[in-house]
Amino acid sequence: DVKVTQSSRYLVKRTGEKVFLECVQDMDHENMFWYRQDPGLGLRLIYFSYDVKMKEKGDIPEGYSVSREKKERFSLILESASTNQTSMYLCASSQTSGGAGTQYFGPGTRLTVL
Amino acid sequence: QQQVKQSPQSLIVQKGGISIINCAYENTAFDYFPWYQQFPGKGPALLIAIRPDVSEKKEGRFTISFNKSAKQFSLHIMDSQPGDSATYFCAASKSGKLIFGQGTTLQVKP
Repeated sequence: DVKVTQSSRYLVKRTGEKVFLECVQDMDHENMFWYRQDPGLGLRLIYFSYDVKMKEKGDIPEGYSVSREKKERFSLILESASTNQTSMYLCASSQTSGGAGTQYFGPGTRLTVL
Repeated sequence: QQQVKQSPQSLIVQKGGISIINCAYENTAFDYFPWYQQFPGKGPALLIAIRPDVSEKKEGRFTISFNKSAKQFSLHIMDSQPGDSATYFCAASKSGKLIFGQGTTLQVKP
């Protein structure tokens, strides 16, 4: 079974702090994604990566950055957390050869910024 | 700009009934339309998916109906069970990226 793990289930940070969210997948997938999930808005793509050291902006990248130094690990960074970044953050991975592939999601990290 | 619009936002169905969730998309370049199911405390998981060259796909009690000309697709859950209570997301894919709908919270009453 594909397993995507996220470093924390719950996280509470203060405004202005630097926040790291870590994601690890164990299936040697090439693609990794970070989403945020908010009620009534569904899942919105923040950043994604098709390969090590490669990243592309999603639909809402402002205020976020990412790092992918190893194939299995994809990190989301909030440089200076703000209250409007309070949300559920979901990581996903997929294997695809040109077309759409099933995305496998982690359990999510619920981040609260005070 | 919401490229995939999903309705209703919430749905209550009696056990044994049919649950229907609808989605509409705008971009004709989308080439893959999955539905994801999410239980509380879990990440979404793929439930069923369809490509635009077919009008219907059925897997057990779950059916996707696809209307390419209307740019609409829907999920039908037959004989709905309390265990189907979850949040459902439709999505549309272009170049491996998914655009999700807003989600529908389904409650199946015993």
